[in-house]
Amino acid sequence: DIQMTQSPSSLSASVGDSVTITCRASQTFNDYLNWYQQRPGKAPKLLIYAASSLPSGVPSRFSGSGSGTEFTLTISSLQPDDFATYYCEQAYIHPFTFGPGTKVDFK
Amino acid sequence: EVQLVQSGAEVKKPGESLKISCKVSGYRFSAFWIAWVRQMPGKGLEWMGIVYPDDSDTRYSPSLQGQVTISADKSRSTAYLQWSSLKASDTAIYYCARSPSGFYGMDVWGQGTTVTVSS
Repeated sequence: DIQMTQSPSSLSASVGDSVTITCRASQTFNDYLNWYQQRPGKAPKLLIYAASSLPSGVPSRFSGSGSGTEFTLTISSLQPDDFATYYCEQAYIHPFTFGPGTKVDFK
Repeated sequence: EVQLVQSGAEVKKPGESLKISCKVSGYRFSAFWIAWVRQMPGKGLEWMGIVYPDDSDTRYSPSLQGQVTISADKSRSTAYLQWSSLKASDTAIYYCARSPSGFYGMDVWGQGTTVTVSS
């Protein structure tokens, strides 16, 4: 299985801050990397697919980049709705695997 | 509107069987993969497996293979996740989610089904 790690595991930030979350994979792959946001008590929501593509309706303050074994999610200006947990997912080979998550909370 | 509506919360005893469902609407069921994702209490997301309803091609996480069965009924536009003998460690929220390509993300999610297994 491909193992996914994320850093940091948690971070504290303020509204308006820019934050970056890193996801690393145990083996290299192209762009089969997706990001999800999960608010407490809610189902996950797809934020980024194919490493850098935004689904319709996702605000442009979210961006993704990377390839190989290192990928990043950046939130350019944190909004109140963005305080949540973020997960990366590799969809290169079955079984697909998620990272352990990064919790973003209020400073 | 695309919707995935999951069956309601379940409370079961160890050793019991269970089948939960995920009924879709608003798109052609056969044409998109459906994945199941587990979230144990206070923990992260765990990919369990995926089914392509058109031909029932199914893939499982090796850690769960043999523990659960994933299936799809095209006539009912419904995907299923079932256990033949539950354990306390199966206590979790289970989500179904649609994956248009199988690779580029799960774009629509069900609301989750809470399964509690306790004696």
